[in-house]
Amino acid sequence: QQQVKQSPQSLIVQKGGISIINCAYENTAFDYFPWYQQFPGKGPALLIAIRPDVSEKKEGRFTISFNKSAKQFSLHIMDSQPGDSATYFCAARRGAAGNKLTFGGGTRVLVKP
Amino acid sequence: EAQVTQNPRYLITVTGKKLTVTCSQNMNHEYMSWYRQDPGLGLRQIYYSMNVEVTDKGDVPEGYKVSRKEKRNFPLILESPSPNQTSLYFCASSLSGGGGEAFFGQGTRLTVV
Repeated sequence: QQQVKQSPQSLIVQKGGISIINCAYENTAFDYFPWYQQFPGKGPALLIAIRPDVSEKKEGRFTISFNKSAKQFSLHIMDSQPGDSATYFCAARRGAAGNKLTFGGGTRVLVKP
Repeated sequence: EAQVTQNPRYLITVTGKKLTVTCSQNMNHEYMSWYRQDPGLGLRQIYYSMNVEVTDKGDVPEGYKVSRKEKRNFPLILESPSPNQTSLYFCASSLSGGGGEAFFGQGTRLTVV
């Protein structure tokens, strides 16, 4: 049973467009929600993260929206660039369980020039 | 430079031949873990270690062993590899206590024939 569900599995967006990736979780004990970016041949790297007491966090062109009551969070990539083409993973961490991360299934994003 | 180093990057082996994938970090992190990445499933935790000589099972530990004799090293051992262990493996480290980001190695692509 996947505790963090991510959609879509892939998306194609034109340069300058907005990429939106959605995640839903079940366990209300999760207390930290990071997004990871992974380029081919590389390990995942932290992109941006949010805690559940905040509804939105923005870093440059990347924004996380968090809806605690719906147990959903999403990543918006504004003004998408070809260099943003990568696989994105949402994750959730339960502080009481140490640093274990539970990952979504990943979204492959392709930004067309 | 802060990094997590895995070796080898690529490995093809035969069923039943014991192998070890090494992982080393230079950030003095207490927490280390191993994940496997499979299409559509994201990353799933295999084993983790909260500190030296302290290890525990993650979500998919069957067929794997780990050890943590030194703080910086956390090898993954497959005593008798099987084809269903063909996957992309990542080692990660982070500070313990529920804070801070996880740093991932570059991955080891393992094929068991």
